[in-house]
Amino acid sequence: NAGVMQNPRHLVRRRGQEARLRCSPMKGHSHVYWYRQLPEEGLKFMVYLQKENIIDESGMPKERFSAEFPKEGPSILRIQQVVRGDSAAYFCASSSIQGRAPPQHFGDGTRLSIL
Amino acid sequence: RKEVEQDPGPFNVPEGATVAFNCTYSNSASQSFFWYRQDCRKEPKLLMSVYSSGNEDGRFTAQLNRASQYISLLIRDSKLSDSATYLCVVNKGFGNEKLTFGTGTRLTIIP
Repeated sequence: NAGVMQNPRHLVRRRGQEARLRCSPMKGHSHVYWYRQLPEEGLKFMVYLQKENIIDESGMPKERFSAEFPKEGPSILRIQQVVRGDSAAYFCASSSIQGRAPPQHFGDGTRLSIL
Repeated sequence: RKEVEQDPGPFNVPEGATVAFNCTYSNSASQSFFWYRQDCRKEPKLLMSVYSSGNEDGRFTAQLNRASQYISLLIRDSKLSDSATYLCVVNKGFGNEKLTFGTGTRLTIIP
């Protein structure tokens, strides 16, 4: 499967625990984006990363959320001390190099449930 | 005002009919426009890009009016498999900026 790979598909955490969501971009893609979709709402941009760099984090909550895209390995979205309001579907997308690039392609998402 | 506004629907349309969705966006500097579809509890999938001259892909036609900041999607000869939520998506760059999504228009095709 050469598409965007996210894992886990479903993640259950208790309040106060940490959640780690992983995303491997499509082969040949070096740009990764994270979006969050709350129940019955549209997708909201969180963060845009290239390898080892955060390009735009204007959609990230100021506290508890962080993201990285290391030189080797998948991009990680980390949520510390989770709260009920963090329950949502988290989608990762990737695109190729800058220019007249094709649109972003999405992974299957991780559905995070906070007990 | 939302950056991207869509009629949430739902649209319940008989099979074979033609259905049109509209979308408006607030940022006049926006450069790229897309329609995505999202099935229930699935990821968004690109349906088509929208170009200034308008473009067609089979039964789907997309139009862009920059002066009015308005995007449309027309589906002809609708199929049961067209049932989904259609997302209007805007990007201020040419592919490497954040996407701004409308909340979607839910379409159900009735046999």
